[in-house]
Amino acid sequence: KNEVEQSPQNLTAQEGEFITINCSYSVGISALHWLQQHPGGGIVSLFMLSSGKKKHGRLIATINIQEKHSSLHITASHPRDSAVYICAVAADSGYALNFGKGTSLLVTP
Amino acid sequence: DAGVIQSPRHEVTEMGQEVTLRCKPISGHDYLFWYRQTMMRGLELLIYFNNNVPIDDSGMPEDRFSAKMPNASFSTLKIQPSEPRDSAVYFCASSGQGYSYTFGSGTRLTVV
Repeated sequence: KNEVEQSPQNLTAQEGEFITINCSYSVGISALHWLQQHPGGGIVSLFMLSSGKKKHGRLIATINIQEKHSSLHITASHPRDSAVYICAVAADSGYALNFGKGTSLLVTP
Repeated sequence: DAGVIQSPRHEVTEMGQEVTLRCKPISGHDYLFWYRQTMMRGLELLIYFNNNVPIDDSGMPEDRFSAKMPNASFSTLKIQPSEPRDSAVYFCASSGQGYSYTFGSGTRLTVV
């Protein structure tokens, strides 16, 4: 069983919609990362969280350490947001990341 | 900073050949990671280094894989001999204080 579970696996939204992607993990962590990968592209780090909430433009990431849960929100979604979003955690014991399977997001005009 | 630099971007090789992937981390980052991405298994850790010393190589599939970090600015991942099941995208990443992560653009390896 993967230690990092994401939902949904696939998501289709219309431009302008509010989007939420969820991530649950089962181990103690030192940090949680949200990553973005465009088709055929590299991996970009969007957020690194150890507590609370962070915001960058239209993207918001939250984490609840007690519940071992994090969410990534996209407000006013746009077709250029279409990508795979990956949740990854660094366990208490080290820096290496353990990844979720990713959420494939398609935003249609 | 140019970010994490990987080479080559694409590699096509025949089964049995030796393959060497290269990575230059961000200057000042003291952690370097090699990850592999496949459709079936997603992203997986292969090995990581701290201050050029290998810390965890439990993800290295078998003896055909080896990784080195001779200095703070260079690392290699070698596969010898290569097999078709090694076909994947190999990412190098580096990290510094505060767990910030930067990934390279990846090397897409195809073994035929």
